[in-house]
Amino acid sequence: GENVEQHPSTLSVQEGDSAVIKCTYSDSASNYFPWYKQELGKRPQLIIDIRSNVGEKKDQRIAVTLNKTAKHFSLHITETQPEDSAVYFCAAPGGGTSYGKLTFGQGTILTVHP
Amino acid sequence: GAVVSQHPSWVICKSGTSVKIECRSLDFQATTMFWYRQFPKQSLMLMATSNEGSKATYEQGVEKDKFLINHASLTLSTLTVTSAHPEDSSFYICSARPLPGIGETQYFGPGTRLLVL
Repeated sequence: GENVEQHPSTLSVQEGDSAVIKCTYSDSASNYFPWYKQELGKRPQLIIDIRSNVGEKKDQRIAVTLNKTAKHFSLHITETQPEDSAVYFCAAPGGGTSYGKLTFGQGTILTVHP
Repeated sequence: GAVVSQHPSWVICKSGTSVKIECRSLDFQATTMFWYRQFPKQSLMLMATSNEGSKATYEQGVEKDKFLINHASLTLSTLTVTSAHPEDSSFYICSARPLPGIGETQYFGPGTRLLVL
């Protein structure tokens, strides 16, 4: 099955700085990589995703990069704001599955200090 | 769009009772729904994949007789925790994947917090 490793487990930045969270995956057939943001006690919310046919995708202050050769992908948040504080999860599917199930990384607690 | 609801949002029950949790996709059809369990400060652990009209697929280590899953329609899946015990206390979250061809994205419900006394 898929194995997803996420780093760092905690990340503390000052407002306005950039934050980068990295994930590696094991299944070379995986082709879809979402990122979720989860606030305390709330549901995970999809914030951005990328498919294996592109190397980078950007949505305002959020971007995701993918390196299929190295089997890793990263979340980049620029100009961080206090409301970006949350737990962020990366995920990857097992290749070849028709269920589309996701394996999640361990999560990164991001704290943005005003 | 892509809204998933879950009911109840929280439940407290006595040890030995059964608890049913409903997961509904409100504005799309989902042939596949997923059930996760999340302990405090931990990641989402997939318990099972719920398939409309067929048996659920359980992850290794998850007791299928304890966590009964039914996916009777394209918009509803239920998880029943049978004979619940304190160690079953957790945050249970479902997600729904739109019909094939629309995308692989999973949309999550708001979760159900279960406390077994």
